[in-house]
Amino acid sequence: SQTIHQWPVTLVQPVGSPLSLECTVEGTSNPNLYWYRQAAGRGLQLLFYSVGIGQISSEVPQNLSASRPQDRQFILSSKKLLLSDSGFYLCAWRDIRRGRETQYFGPGTRLLVL
Amino acid sequence: GENVEQHPSTLSVQEGDSAVIKCTYSDSASNYFPWYKQELGKRPQLIIDIRSNVGEKKDQRIAVTLNKTAKHFSLHITETQPEDSAVYFCAASPLTQGAQKLVFGQGTRLTINP
Repeated sequence: SQTIHQWPVTLVQPVGSPLSLECTVEGTSNPNLYWYRQAAGRGLQLLFYSVGIGQISSEVPQNLSASRPQDRQFILSSKKLLLSDSGFYLCAWRDIRRGRETQYFGPGTRLLVL
Repeated sequence: GENVEQHPSTLSVQEGDSAVIKCTYSDSASNYFPWYKQELGKRPQLIIDIRSNVGEKKDQRIAVTLNKTAKHFSLHITETQPEDSAVYFCAASPLTQGAQKLVFGQGTRLTINP
């Protein structure tokens, strides 16, 4: 069966510091991968998605970036965090085979920027 | 691009009563409509989904209906129980072999009163 991991679970960072969040998926190959952000009490905002190694599409221009160095690894980064970057960051994966449209979310990383 | 509106933003019902959450979408190319449930502090989890080739789908106490002409779909929960209290999100996207991009509604906070 498939499993998705995210770390760290929680993170408190000062404004201007760098960021690296990691997501890995087990039990599948060549998945679509996604990064979402959820502000407190709000909806899900798609940040980045990837259809393969090294292929990243950005949905919202901002100071974040994403990379996919391996098939089942997706990384979210920032060189300098802003207060507005605080939120719940969710990684998701999707099986690309026909008939398997469901996106499955990881446990999330809660980021607080002070 | 796709835009999904979800109503109401909050809903409070008595235990045992029914709850209905409604969503409208803008892109006629959308043909996949999932519903996710998010408990406090947890990841969103798929509870039911529907494709545009059907008008209704049921799974025990949960049902989803779709009206493609009017571009709206609804979640129905019958015989509500305290564990149904959560935030519910609808979403829409085209079915595609490429990168599926779900667009989410803003969420409905459902409270079941004992």
